[in-house]
Amino acid sequence: DIQMTQSPSSLSASVGDRVTITCRASQTTSNFLNWYLQKPGKAPKLLIYAASSLQSGVPSRFSGSGSGTDFTLTISSLQPEDSATYYCQQSSSIPRMFGQGTKVEI
Amino acid sequence: QAQLQESGPGLVKPSQTLSLTCTVSGGSIRSDTYYWSWIRQPAGKGLEWIGRIYITGDTNYNPSLKSRVSISIDTSKNQFSLNLSSVTAADTAVYYCARETTNHLLFDSWGQGTLVTVSS
Repeated sequence: DIQMTQSPSSLSASVGDRVTITCRASQTTSNFLNWYLQKPGKAPKLLIYAASSLQSGVPSRFSGSGSGTDFTLTISSLQPEDSATYYCQQSSSIPRMFGQGTKVEI
Repeated sequence: QAQLQESGPGLVKPSQTLSLTCTVSGGSIRSDTYYWSWIRQPAGKGLEWIGRIYITGDTNYNPSLKSRVSISIDTSKNQFSLNLSSVTAADTAVYYCARETTNHLLFDSWGQGTLVTVSS
């Protein structure tokens, strides 16, 4: 199994801040890496796929980068509605694996 | 955009079988561009992929659950189902059904999730 490790586990930032979350895979995933946002009591929502492609309808303040084993999700200017838990997920192999999540508080 | 909805018992006794169904609306489950998946999340914890099925009936399961899991598909009802046998309290979680695209291998549509509690 490819293990996914996110850091930090949680962070607190202010509106307008630039926020970066990292995700490291235990083996290369090429660019098969997706990012999701989850709010309490809701299903996850896709933000970024293929490491750096923005899902339709997702605000442009979200961006992704990286390849191989190291990936980054960046929120360029944090907004109040971005308070959530963020998960990375590899789609390079079975079983699909998610990171443990990063909780972002405003 | 297809919509997915989980249904099934919210309470299952230990050692019994957990059975859930996901109904797909707004799109055909017969499409060859999607895998149909189950994912779960214990309270306050992260997401665990359980497995998936393709329209051909081909399945993939998480090795950690493989001996207890079965996923099936019913194209006549536009549904797919999860059976998890010999459940324990550790199987208590919110269970999501989700659609994974075959091109970009992403989960683009999710059900709202259903809480299943394993307790006597």
